[in-house]
Amino acid sequence: QSVLTQPPSVSGAPGQRVTISCTGSSSNIGAGYDVHWYQQLPGTAPKLLIYGNSNRPSGVPDRFSGSKSGTSASLAITGLQAEDEADYYCQSYDSSLSGPCVFGTGTKVTVL
Amino acid sequence: QVTLKESGPVLVKPTETLTLTCTVSGFSLSNARMGVSWIRQPPGKALEWLAHIFSNDEKSYSTSLKSRLTISKDTSKSQVVLTMTNMDPVDTATYYCARIQTSSGYYLIISWGQGTLVTVSS
Repeated sequence: QSVLTQPPSVSGAPGQRVTISCTGSSSNIGAGYDVHWYQQLPGTAPKLLIYGNSNRPSGVPDRFSGSKSGTSASLAITGLQAEDEADYYCQSYDSSLSGPCVFGTGTKVTVL
Repeated sequence: QVTLKESGPVLVKPTETLTLTCTVSGFSLSNARMGVSWIRQPPGKALEWLAHIFSNDEKSYSTSLKSRLTISKDTSKSQVVLTMTNMDPVDTATYYCARIQTSSGYYLIISWGQGTLVTVSS
């Protein structure tokens, strides 16, 4: 049912850089609508991580960054830490019948 | 401090109607451009948007679930209520309410409740 596609999993050693892609279509990301990212730690509710493609809310470490290009967006985690092990979801506005709010399929980040 | 808290039954039987309540604090349901959404997450699966309501009583529903959902609010009680009819085991999920901020072509989930797990089983 998810409209935005993410890789199921990514992994990296502590200190490494990992990226998560989020692919949409012409009714959401490709239409220029902003992408937001949420972090869901095990057993907890999601938390806003990145808003407006590349902005960090207060308190989010600067090792998290976001970008958008065309019909895709990406979340990068540099200097990976053990506490970053979580599920990550992208989200955007969608102008089709799937909307107005659509989520990604989710990506599990594992710290090796 | 903004908080949202979901409440409702933990177990419902197939064909029954689910009623969930979201009680908010730290902001008013009468704030312009602010609204409350319901989102669910089946165990081990992705997030799914269900519905939202705004201060002016504007509502929107998931196309696939529209016939089963009703969202309403009681501003005086700072509560948003979601009802879902004809529950099925596939509706087993954690249900979240969330504070949202929107504008034309912009939909942001600012903060989330802790969620409540609803199991559908006879």
